[in-house]
Order: sequence, then structure tokens, then C-alpha cells
Amino acid sequence: AQSVAQPEDQVNVAEGNPLTVKCTYSVSGNPYLFWYVQYPNRGLQFLLKYITGDNLVKGSYGFEAEFNKSQTSFHLKKPSALVSDSALYFCAVRDGSARQLTFGSGTQLTVLP
Amino acid sequence: DAGVTQSPTHLIKTRGQQVTLRCSPKSGHDTVSWYQQALGQGPQFIFQYYEEEERQRGNFPDRFSGHQFPNYSSELNVNALLLGDSALYLCASSFRNTIYFGEGSWLTVV
Repeated sequence: AQSVAQPEDQVNVAEGNPLTVKCTYSVSGNPYLFWYVQYPNRGLQFLLKYITGDNLVKGSYGFEAEFNKSQTSFHLKKPSALVSDSALYFCAVRDGSARQLTFGSGTQLTVLP
Repeated sequence: DAGVTQSPTHLIKTRGQQVTLRCSPKSGHDTVSWYQQALGQGPQFIFQYYEEEERQRGNFPDRFSGHQFPNYSSELNVNALLLGDSALYLCASSFRNTIYFGEGSWLTVV
């Protein structure tokens, strides 16, 4: 079985400050990890993925994520937050043999001006 | 290059009715998956289609069925609608571990 935990329902950060959205996962094999963002009344927008290789993955809009195998974590980060980053963020995982993505419950990010 | 396109964007149905949702995958993508996202929750996997066959199914009843056409487009059918089927239905297309979602179809069952 595979699962994802996003321990924070809500993250608030001031504009210009660094942001982190946390994600931990559980899979039986090698993890394939993803971050998506969802704006109100919209679909999911792909930000980045980790399949293999460097532990630091760079994605769209200045976001990056760090894969930590020992801590089974894949936290999303951005050095300087923008008000327009305010949205709902989902972490997702699958192992190499699974077909489906398993999503976390989402974290609402609010960037305060 | 068009992304994943879904139709209709919004629809309202009555309990007991049937609904068909449609999806065209991103160009070059041969695998289509469907997800249900209830309000305030993360998406839940319904099923995946590849080469016109259902390849894997999540924990959804048989009322949920699908189809994939030779051009890789797909349909999701839901029979005997329940109030609890009200949700955003997301289509995802994938090719070699890159997975993209459409804007979704908002279904309201009254």
C-alpha cells in the first residue's frame, strides 16, 4: 500500500519569505513523487516530480523539492514567496509498479502581502 | 500543444440518472486515468486505461465505468447517481511518468 501525509492543513507565510510545505510518504518500493497546485475551482497543475537522480528537484515557478529517503519526506520549498503562490498544494506518490497516484489531503498556502 | 481537455465543465444531474464525462489526453500521451475529488479532499483514483483496456481500478463501485478509444480519448460513465457522487472529476494523461491533469468536470447531483 502507498500513502501520503501532509501534516499541515494551512501554512501562512509573508511575501518575500521562504516557504516550505511538508510531505511524508510510504510505499513498498521505490517512490515516484509529485507536487501539484490547485487554484480555486481549477484542476491540478503539475509543479515537479522526483523519479530518480538528484535529491533536489527544481520545478515550475521557482519551486523546488528535496527528496529525503531516510526520512521518507519530499518537502516543497520556494526561496521567496509571492502572493500569487497562494493556493492548495497536493503531494502525491506511487511506487514503480502501481498505476495510480495516491494524494495527500492538501495544504492551503496563504502568502500575506 | 493542447493540454488535457475535459467536457463538460459543469453539469447538474438528478439522483438515479446517468452521466458521461469526456477527456482528450495531451498530445502523445497514451494512458488516461480518472480521479474523483470531493470537496475539501485530495483526488481519489477511479481507474486507468491503456490500449483501450482498463488496466487498474481503485475502490469504486461498478456504477463507475469507462472506455478508451483508439485515439486515446476516454469517457467516464456513472450510473444510478447518488448525492455522494457530487465532486470534481479529473482526467489525467501520462507518458513515461509525466502526469498532467485537466481542468475537471464539476458534477452536482441533486
